[in-house]
Amino acid sequence: DADVTQTPRNRITKTGKRIMLECSQTKGHDRMYWYRQDPGLGLRLIYYSFDVKDINKGEISDGYSVSRQAQAKFSLSLESAIPNQTALYFCATSDPTGDPTQYFGPGTRLLVL
Amino acid sequence: RKEVEQDPGPFNVPEGATVAFNCTYSNSASQSFFWYRQDCRKEPKLLMSVYSSGNEDGRFTAQLNRASQYISLLIRDSKLSDSATYLCVVSAGGTSYGKLTFGQGTILTVHP
Repeated sequence: DADVTQTPRNRITKTGKRIMLECSQTKGHDRMYWYRQDPGLGLRLIYYSFDVKDINKGEISDGYSVSRQAQAKFSLSLESAIPNQTALYFCATSDPTGDPTQYFGPGTRLLVL
Repeated sequence: RKEVEQDPGPFNVPEGATVAFNCTYSNSASQSFFWYRQDCRKEPKLLMSVYSSGNEDGRFTAQLNRASQYISLLIRDSKLSDSATYLCVVSAGGTSYGKLTFGQGTILTVHP
């Protein structure tokens, strides 16, 4: 079984709709991250959480919110989706002790019409 | 200026070729450096960390020049399976430790 899972894997929604992307991990890591990836722009950090009570904005947080429900779960919400939020979204985790390697989920492809 | 810059390519090379990718970073406080590999429409995965002394993992060699804020990746004897996007990744220290900044990636295609 995958260590980092994301649901849904693909989603089509309409402008103005609220949607939630979910991430779960079994690695026991405290740190979790949400990124979006657009062609030619690489991965950009949306939000990150270093533990259950810690939420931080990343590079491009406008239009997004997150919830860290438990150590293993970190959800990303688009309150009112817009077409330029069409992208590939990745969740990642890392261990706070020593190695900053991040482990990514398989991604969620989101299309906002 | 982007924090981490890479030549996006694409690089198209024949099997067996040697290919090198370069990357520059702007934050002099950066402490950890990596190359990640991303296959088409898949998640990024760590390829190798980059150390000041340079390090090698099989056909892959990574180099770091802190003075020039420059990172490189050399792939020798390219295989078809090396076709992917290679992401240069940097982590700052202090309170930003653990946060990664990604370059936009360099696309490599290895052809028969």
